[in-house]
Amino acid sequence: DAKTTQPTSMDCAEGRAANLPCNHSTISGNEYVYWYRQIHSQGPQYIIHGLKNNETNEMASLIITEDRKSSTLILPHATLRDTAVYYCIVGGTSYGKLTFGQGTILTVHP
Amino acid sequence: DAGVIQSPRHEVTEMGQEVTLRCKPISGHNSLFWYRQTMMRGLELLIYFNNNVPIDDSGMPEDRFSAKMPNASFSTLKIQPSEPRDSAVYFCASSRGSGETQYFGPGTRLLVL
Repeated sequence: DAKTTQPTSMDCAEGRAANLPCNHSTISGNEYVYWYRQIHSQGPQYIIHGLKNNETNEMASLIITEDRKSSTLILPHATLRDTAVYYCIVGGTSYGKLTFGQGTILTVHP
Repeated sequence: DAGVIQSPRHEVTEMGQEVTLRCKPISGHNSLFWYRQTMMRGLELLIYFNNNVPIDDSGMPEDRFSAKMPNASFSTLKIQPSEPRDSAVYFCASSRGSGETQYFGPGTRLLVL
């Protein structure tokens, strides 16, 4: 599975959009981009995933560049409860195997 | 939907003791995963089952670790004998099928003294 690069930490003001970048320059054509988050002391929570097209659900939007080498997760109106570690994962072709990196610590402040 | 259920939520044991962690996947899910999370190594996949059969156990650290899935609604991860370095949070996850979204349980916090 391709490796991802994410900033170690980011801050966001409550009510503003949080834009979390992810670089996955070695992604292969059939690999998906997944985003999970982990709120302190809880299990990872699925957010969204995509292959080529931009995706949106009730939690977030996923923007994937045309060359698929990078993506951005957008939380449109961040709340304090969105403070968590956000993981960008590329893969899923092999039985859905997910390889977690260190993720981005997002802190939403009042 | 109750989600993935894990028990116990917390376990404290002494080195050398046997530890058994339990997982009940979401009903109807055919794939089950065991992960371990530590500060040093992050979140690591230990083993993956599909239709109750172990498919990939390459992440199991050593022979002290074993996992079983006797039926579609129950899995165990056993450590025998336990060591202090096994202290971690162990997560179970399930998915509807191979390659589908994984849903994680709340985890079991294991402390081996």
